[in-house]
Amino acid sequence: DSGVTQTPKHLITATGQRVTLRCSPRSGDLSVYWYQQSLDQGLQFLIQYYNGEERAKGNILERFSAQQFPDLHSELNLSSLELGDSALYFCASSAGIAGGMTDTQYFGPGTRLTVL
Amino acid sequence: AQTVTQSQPEMSVQEAETVTLSCTYDTSESDYYLFWYKQPPSRQMILVIRQEAYKQQNATENRFSVNFQKAAKSFSLKISDSQLGDAAMYFCAYRSDGGNQFYFGTGTSLTVIP
Repeated sequence: DSGVTQTPKHLITATGQRVTLRCSPRSGDLSVYWYQQSLDQGLQFLIQYYNGEERAKGNILERFSAQQFPDLHSELNLSSLELGDSALYFCASSAGIAGGMTDTQYFGPGTRLTVL
Repeated sequence: AQTVTQSQPEMSVQEAETVTLSCTYDTSESDYYLFWYKQPPSRQMILVIRQEAYKQQNATENRFSVNFQKAAKSFSLKISDSQLGDAAMYFCAYRSDGGNQFYFGTGTSLTVIP
């Protein structure tokens, strides 16, 4: 158990809909990262937050957005869903913005999104 | 952006034998960190081992060890005494010192043959 929690575990929805994925980082971690893993693919970095502020952006679609709240949990919002958005979405957390081995990322169990 | 290459999409090993998974990366930085993550069928991402580039000594975690060749930009993972539970997808990852983003390879699927 990495200490990172993600809800829900599974989500099935229809095209055009909007969903919210939730992540709680490990106790004490300030950084949260979101990744998308499509079937048989590697991990695509979407976005990173540090202590409530956006710090890095990867291949995140404009239909997707995220935020990190004062209690450090984060939410990833996916809207106008398309079939191709079906994937496993991981959240990871690390201690700080950068620097040192303390910035190792620990992953949550993922949310499997299926768009029908 | 840095790139991480795993040239072996699939590997197999006999139980109790040793296998080495390859990873190369491209960077112009001198300080950075390298990681191997394991993703079993449960799809959980599990940290296996990590290495600081400024350390010449190769990292070791029980049956897992790395062969870090900084000049060659190579970071291979050796699994000794392979067990059935080692069957998984293995991802190599890079993070620069002071950087925010992890860069992942495309993964190597390891099969352990009983």
